[in-house]
Amino acid sequence: GDSVTQMEGPVTLSEEAFLTINCTYTATGYPSLFWYVQYPGEGLQLLLKATKADDKGSNKGFEATYRKETTSFHLEKGSVQVSDSAVYFCALTTGTASKLTFGTGTRLQVTL
Amino acid sequence: DAGVTQSPTHLIKTRGQQVTLRCSPKSGHDTVSWYQQALGQGPQFIFQYYEEEERQRGNFPDRFSGHQFPNYSSELNVNALLLGDSALYLCASSLLGGNRNYNEQFFGPGTRLTVL
Repeated sequence: GDSVTQMEGPVTLSEEAFLTINCTYTATGYPSLFWYVQYPGEGLQLLLKATKADDKGSNKGFEATYRKETTSFHLEKGSVQVSDSAVYFCALTTGTASKLTFGTGTRLQVTL
Repeated sequence: DAGVTQSPTHLIKTRGQQVTLRCSPKSGHDTVSWYQQALGQGPQFIFQYYEEEERQRGNFPDRFSGHQFPNYSSELNVNALLLGDSALYLCASSLLGGNRNYNEQFFGPGTRLTVL
């Protein structure tokens, strides 16, 4: 079945540091890939997405590129802020409005 | 425009009891999915409803059941509660009807269920 593997956290960075959170996947067919963010006490928010190979999703300074050859979708940000502290989930789906399969999440803590 | 809403926010039950959680989708959406998020884990797909029928189901026992109403709102019912059912239950809505492209799932804030 489909699965998503994320690097374990927590990840602790100083403000303005570079962020990478690794994500790899296993899926049948051609999945769409997503990064969701969960702030404390809130539900999930879609951060960015990519629906086909070599697509780059981007939002709020975050980027991720759909790499079919390495089955990866790593999340990056050039300069993190304290307000980016949250839990980040990599996810995939293989159908129209179909179920999402999530990774276990990576907690990011950004300090001053 | 209200987003996805869920009620109640928190709930405490004891083992063996039954619980009903409710979800109202984002305006214009016709599909509701339910997820269980255990502490420190990613959300796990329970099932999805479209046109008042269960369209997809994840690996959850029959104790988990649902319903979708004509106004697209949905309920999740869990019978014979176990300690392991303690989790954050998330509802997500999307638009499926007539559209072949992927449609984003919008999540509600969740219902925190504690089983004692």
